[in-house]
Amino acid sequence: NAGVTQTPKFRVLKTGQSMTLLCAQDMNHEYMYWYRQDPGMGLRLIHYSVGEGTTAKGEVPDGYNVSRLKKQNFLLGLESAAPSQTSVYFCASSERQGSIYGYTFGSGTRLTVV
Amino acid sequence: GQQLNQSPQSMFIQEGEDVSMNCTSSSIFNTWLWYKQEPGEGPVLLIALYKAGELTSNGRLTAQFGITRKDSFLNISASIPSDVGIYFCAGLNYGGSQGNLIFGKGTKLSVKP
Repeated sequence: NAGVTQTPKFRVLKTGQSMTLLCAQDMNHEYMYWYRQDPGMGLRLIHYSVGEGTTAKGEVPDGYNVSRLKKQNFLLGLESAAPSQTSVYFCASSERQGSIYGYTFGSGTRLTVV
Repeated sequence: GQQLNQSPQSMFIQEGEDVSMNCTSSSIFNTWLWYKQEPGEGPVLLIALYKAGELTSNGRLTAQFGITRKDSFLNISASIPSDVGIYFCAGLNYGGSQGNLIFGKGTKLSVKP
């Protein structure tokens, strides 16, 4: 049972390039989330999904797009990467809203935009 | 929006010492969660608290859900080097457009052998 798997683990982009981060979960969770983690800022929610085919904005959505075409996958896209998007990105999933077990996190994608 | 104030930001302690950290909010939460993040990994759930006043232990870790529902505390007894990491509190409200976890900014723990 892999839990939440993120790919890639590391990536370096040039300013203006685009890329997609993939998150896959095998726990049949309804809810999935994308966070970014920056030093001293904790975890900030970018976008989330409450089920297949749905997405919603979180706290810091600008510059990112997401898609949830399949229940087990949640994709995060950067349309035109900027140095301010250098960060560690975490995907998470939960059974439902208000899950008593909290969220299960992936191990992160470290993105550097130069 | 809702915010959590987590303190201290960082701690440098000697192996064997006890550790205390806390989280406060201006808003009420239904659930408090404590996570640990080790270097290069995602956060992992340590303890979940569901009732005001609840005190829950997980080995050397003890966490409490404050009576006012606006705060929570985490204590680690007899620290060991593998306790190193960033500890996050998180508050959760049910219902409506809420239901997403609100995270504190973390307490970075360093343990000197």
